Amino acid sequence: EIVLTQSPDFQSVTPKEKVTITCRASQSIGSSLHWYQQKPDQSPKLLIKYASQSISGVPSRFSGSGSGTDFTLTINSLEAEDAAAYYCHQSSSLPVLFGQGTKLEIK
Amino acid sequence: QLQLQESGPGLVKPSETLSLTCTVSGGSISSSSYYWGWIRQPPGKGLEWIGSIYYSGSTYYNPSLKSRVTISVDTSKNQFSLKLSSVTAADTAVYYCARHMWLAPFDPWGQGTLVTVSS
Repeated sequence: EIVLTQSPDFQSVTPKEKVTITCRASQSIGSSLHWYQQKPDQSPKLLIKYASQSISGVPSRFSGSGSGTDFTLTINSLEAEDAAAYYCHQSSSLPVLFGQGTKLEIK
Repeated sequence: QLQLQESGPGLVKPSETLSLTCTVSGGSISSSSYYWGWIRQPPGKGLEWIGSIYYSGSTYYNPSLKSRVTISVDTSKNQFSLKLSSVTAADTAVYYCARHMWLAPFDPWGQGTLVTVSS
């Protein structure tokens, strides 16, 4: 099965900073990589699909890039409301799997 | 707007069977191209896909849980269900249901329901 490894596990950042979260797949998954945001006590919310495709209603400061094995979620000009856990998810093959998550703390 | 809502017991005893139902509103569970999945999240941990079902009844399970999982669909009630047998404390988690297309992202998700395995 394909394993996803996110980095970092935890990051403490100040508002207006630019944040980069990476997700590495154990083998090539093309563009079948999606990103979710999960705020405390809420269900995950789809942020980016197929590596770089934007989702309606998601602020434009969120963007994704990458293909093959290396992917990046970028948050430009971080806002306080972005405090959350972020997960990548591969849907290239079964079983679909999630990365271990990255917790973002706002200073 | 499609909405999903999980329901079921919040407490299950060890060795028993966990049973949950996801009710779909604002759309038909029989819509072609859509699959209906279960995902769980132990407290403070990450997300694990359990399995998915198509309205026709075709099922796909995570091999790590396959021997204990059954997912079924009731199109007349616009619901699908999860059964997980022989539960242990390690099965304590928030269980989510979600819609997806084949090998595609999960969207939307239900609000989740916490199931605790304890005697």
